[in-house]
Amino acid sequence: NAGVTQTPKFQVLKTGQSMTLQCAQDMNHEYMSWYRQDPGMGLRLIHYSVGAGITDQGEVPNGYNVSRSTTEDFPLRLLSAAPSQTSVYFCASSRGAGGRGYTFGSGTRLTVV
Amino acid sequence: AQSVTQLGSHVSVSEGALVLLRCNYSSSVPPYLFWYVQYPNQGLQLLLKYTTGATLVKGINGFEAEFKKSETSFHLTKPSAHMSDAAEYFCAVSAGTNAGKSTFGDGTTLTVKP
Repeated sequence: NAGVTQTPKFQVLKTGQSMTLQCAQDMNHEYMSWYRQDPGMGLRLIHYSVGAGITDQGEVPNGYNVSRSTTEDFPLRLLSAAPSQTSVYFCASSRGAGGRGYTFGSGTRLTVV
Repeated sequence: AQSVTQLGSHVSVSEGALVLLRCNYSSSVPPYLFWYVQYPNQGLQLLLKYTTGATLVKGINGFEAEFKKSETSFHLTKPSAHMSDAAEYFCAVSAGTNAGKSTFGDGTTLTVKP
């Protein structure tokens, strides 16, 4: 199994540009989430989904959009990139809610200049 | 609301010494608790988890953690550190209506000295 696959691994954007970070999982997990990781701040939840067609905001949703048309895919869209969005982005999935824990992708390192 | 506090952003131990990484949580309902490890330039990997039942849980790579409700703690331990244990460790909690999304601590970087 590939697990959780994120693309691209690295990206440099100019301020104001838009882009989509891709996330796909092949484990038939219902729950998928996007986190950003910044030094000394742990991981902060951006958006999450409990199944196809259902999404909700996390702790830091501003400037990001998501949609979930299939169980497998959960793309994250940056609408108009800002330097404050420079971060490492992780996609994670889990089978159901509660105590199963996440499977994480390897991350996308985004720099906005 | 749920939250996690990891005590100590950096911990340094000698190879063969006890590893103790501290985590305290806050939750108004019974929590699910997790420890994850992150090696440089990689994603996070689940080390162990507490859901219900036995309060001492064992994970991969010889790590274990004990859920102490009275102390709202879930500290991670390993009896003897290896050089390969050097990494960043994250404690996380999920609970109640937020059971499908985890809240993470700020992380603790473990350094192992030869």
